[in-house]
Amino acid sequence: EVQLVESGGGLVQPGGSLRLSCATSGFTFSGYWMHWVRQAPGKGLVWVSVINHDGSMTSYADSVKGRFTISRDNAKNTLYLQMNSLRVEDTAVYYCARAARNWGIDYWGQGTLVTVSS
Amino acid sequence: QSALTQPPSASGSPGQSVTISCTGTSSDVGGYNYVSWYQQHPGKAPKLMISEVSERPSGVPDRFSGSKSGNTASLTVSGLQAEDEADYYCSSYAGSNNLVFGGGTKLTVL
Repeated sequence: EVQLVESGGGLVQPGGSLRLSCATSGFTFSGYWMHWVRQAPGKGLVWVSVINHDGSMTSYADSVKGRFTISRDNAKNTLYLQMNSLRVEDTAVYYCARAARNWGIDYWGQGTLVTVSS
Repeated sequence: QSALTQPPSASGSPGQSVTISCTGTSSDVGGYNYVSWYQQHPGKAPKLMISEVSERPSGVPDRFSGSKSGNTASLTVSGLQAEDEADYYCSSYAGSNNLVFGGGTKLTVL
């Protein structure tokens, strides 16, 4: 059974940093691209970032470029999102998600809430 | 990276059909056959319902179907059932390793 379990969310002040983790199991992690997608309270899904299977390619939404860094440790089957210079508008549930073929997303974690507030 | 345009709401009675649209540009929806649709119930993670415009993953009822014409993709739910009431999101590859979602549509089963 494919499982994605996010952790690391919490309350942080504007300008602060946070690192999210996503522990995976039930599939060959090193064979898949992975995404982070976020959802502000009561709002829609917003794509954040993607990383290819070996970490050699990363891409980011304009809204987080230069502030967030996606990475992965294939030996630990874990995906990461380092978030720096956090803003109030970054407040959201952050989902770790497995890329399906041709830019679909076939498995999602349960999400971890990040709240940026003073 | 502008969000795709979806109607905020849609509704239908049990047994009826409803279609939800997803409008983009030639740089995303119109440029690639990489449109997906997701169903999200309150407090739950999204679920993949359609990929590559019209492909249904295993386990998704055949009441759900997808199509595309030009810069607009569509999700049709036939034979509406109470459990179909949820939020629906489209997504599309937007080139340069970027993905974009629609704003979401709340489907109400009357």
